[in-house]
Amino acid sequence: AQRVTQPEKLLSVFKGAPVELKCNYSYSGSPELFWYVQYSRQRLQLLLRHISRESIKGFTADLNKGETSFHLKKPFAQEEDSAMYYCALFPGNTPLVFGKGTRLSVIA
Amino acid sequence: NAGVTQTPKFQVLKTGQSMTLQCAQDMNHNSMYWYRQDPGMGLRLIYYSASEGTTDKGEVPNGYNVSRLNKREFSLRLESAAPSQTSVYFCASSDRWAAYGYTFGSGTRLTVV
Repeated sequence: AQRVTQPEKLLSVFKGAPVELKCNYSYSGSPELFWYVQYSRQRLQLLLRHISRESIKGFTADLNKGETSFHLKKPFAQEEDSAMYYCALFPGNTPLVFGKGTRLSVIA
Repeated sequence: NAGVTQTPKFQVLKTGQSMTLQCAQDMNHNSMYWYRQDPGMGLRLIYYSASEGTTDKGEVPNGYNVSRLNKREFSLRLESAAPSQTSVYFCASSDRWAAYGYTFGSGTRLTVV
């Protein structure tokens, strides 16, 4: 069965420190993966898709098929990065499968 | 440039009352979804509609019904609200299932007392 695991419920880092939000998936095919961000009491917004290989707000994510991971990274955290982050998998012809989310807290 | 619009934004219900959450999208998307968001549980799919005229159960459908009224609108109904349905409800839409990701509404915060 398809599954997305985000092992950390909460991640606290200091401003200016590197950030890595972990995401592991279980899927037998070629995955399409996403990261969504939700700022306090707002709607979820698409942060990035692995197929576009883009960098948004300084965040990047690389698909590692060998480790079945899609970790989200940023070299220098900012206070405005504090939010809830969800990793999601598109299995094909069924809805997105979301992880349970990681709350990132950036400490000034 | 509305995207996905949900109404109401907030609602308090008494146990046993019924209500309908409304969702409309103006992006000509084929697929629409209802999720609930609870602390520690992430997003859980309630129902979805792959295209106009079809609906399917998600992970947590019990206690809910849906109607895909037309291509734009997808409503979620609670027939007899229970405190366990206290949650934040999000509607989302996408084209071609979800190959390009979802667009989410701003959510409905529902409290059942």
